[in-house]
Amino acid sequence: EAGVAQSPRYKIIEKRQSVAFWCNPISGHATLYWYQQILGQGPKLLIQFQNNGVVDDSQLPKDRFSAERLKGVDSTLKIQPAKLEDSAVYLCASSLTGLPEQYFGPGTRLTVT
Amino acid sequence: DQQVKQNSPSLSVQEGRISILNCDYTNSMFDYFLWYKKYPAEGPTFLISISSIKDKNEDGRFTVFLNKSAKHLSLHIVPSQPGDSAVYFCAASVGGNQFYFGTGTSLTVIP
Repeated sequence: EAGVAQSPRYKIIEKRQSVAFWCNPISGHATLYWYQQILGQGPKLLIQFQNNGVVDDSQLPKDRFSAERLKGVDSTLKIQPAKLEDSAVYLCASSLTGLPEQYFGPGTRLTVT
Repeated sequence: DQQVKQNSPSLSVQEGRISILNCDYTNSMFDYFLWYKKYPAEGPTFLISISSIKDKNEDGRFTVFLNKSAKHLSLHIVPSQPGDSAVYFCAASVGGNQFYFGTGTSLTVIP
């Protein structure tokens, strides 16, 4: 079974630029999550989708971050414009409906200079 | 507001001995708890979980204990192996949503 795929693996941008991350969850997993993990901290949930609907986005900085999950499969997370404090690893995870165990992708390491 | 806390950033254990990783939480609404293991440059991997209606769950060498009155859970690894060296995160959720992670404990198992 293929795992959660993410791209790119690494990205370096200057502040005020835009960036987008892509995630393809495990086949059949209806729930998809985006996390931000800053160095030395645990993952912080940004947004949770159930199919293509948003379940929880209470910790998503909506002035600069956006996410979508068209067709209930792939998802993209966008930051526009980026700030220095957005430097982090962005993790995507998926799970089967009704089960809290999440399967994580390898993450995208973003560096904002 | 850190709702899930792992107060020990690191732990070293001899191979074959028991590793005990601890986690405290503040939100009494949490009803499901999970442990994840993370190697460098990889995403976290699910290890073991426990529902709030239980106080213990075992899976091979891994056992999770939940003490709801103390709002405390622990992960026991027996016997510890060098391959267990990784960062361990505990996480908690409310109704399968609102997931909160601790800051992690780096475990080193010394051969």
